[in-house]
Amino acid sequence: NAGVTQTPKFQVLKTGQSMTLQCAQDMNHEYMSWYRQDPGMGLRLIHYSVGAGITDQGEVPNGYNVSRSTTEDFPLRLLSAAPSQTSVYFCASEGGANTGELFFGEGSRLTVL
Amino acid sequence: GESVGLHLPTLSVQEGDNSIINCAYSNSASDYFIWYKQESGKGPQFIIDIRSNMDKRQGQRVTVLLNKTVKHLSLQIAATQPGDSAVYFCAESISGGYNKLIFGAGTRLAVHP
Repeated sequence: NAGVTQTPKFQVLKTGQSMTLQCAQDMNHEYMSWYRQDPGMGLRLIHYSVGAGITDQGEVPNGYNVSRSTTEDFPLRLLSAAPSQTSVYFCASEGGANTGELFFGEGSRLTVL
Repeated sequence: GESVGLHLPTLSVQEGDNSIINCAYSNSASDYFIWYKQESGKGPQFIIDIRSNMDKRQGQRVTVLLNKTVKHLSLQIAATQPGDSAVYFCAESISGGYNKLIFGAGTRLAVHP
């Protein structure tokens, strides 16, 4: 099983550009989420989804959009990138056992110049 | 506000010794706690969890202790191996599950031969 797959692994943007970070999981998990990780800080929740067609905001949602049209995919969109969005982004899914056992992708490192 | 913190940013141990990683939490309403391990260049990986109705839980070579009186959580790793070198995060949840996990900043564990 591939688990949680994120693309791209690395991306450099200029301020104001837009892009989409892709996340796909093949475990038929209902719950998916996006976190960002900055140096010296823990992971912070951006957006999450408890199933297809349902999304909600996390701790730091500003500047990001998400959609969940299928169970498998949960893309994260940056409409107008800012240097403050330079970070490592992680997508995670959970299998419905109502535990904290999230399955994470390997991350996408984004640099905004 | 709600926060999850760690006492030591870096812990160095000798191979074969036992390691203890500590975590303090501030929200007395938190009822579910998780430890994650993150190796360099990878996403976090679930290690073990504990609910607030327990004081101790054991896994393979790992033990989590919860002291609700002083709001303290620890992860003990027995017979530490080089493969245990990573950053360890504690996380807490009020809902008892995966929604809106709050992660600490992390502790780096360095295992020396």
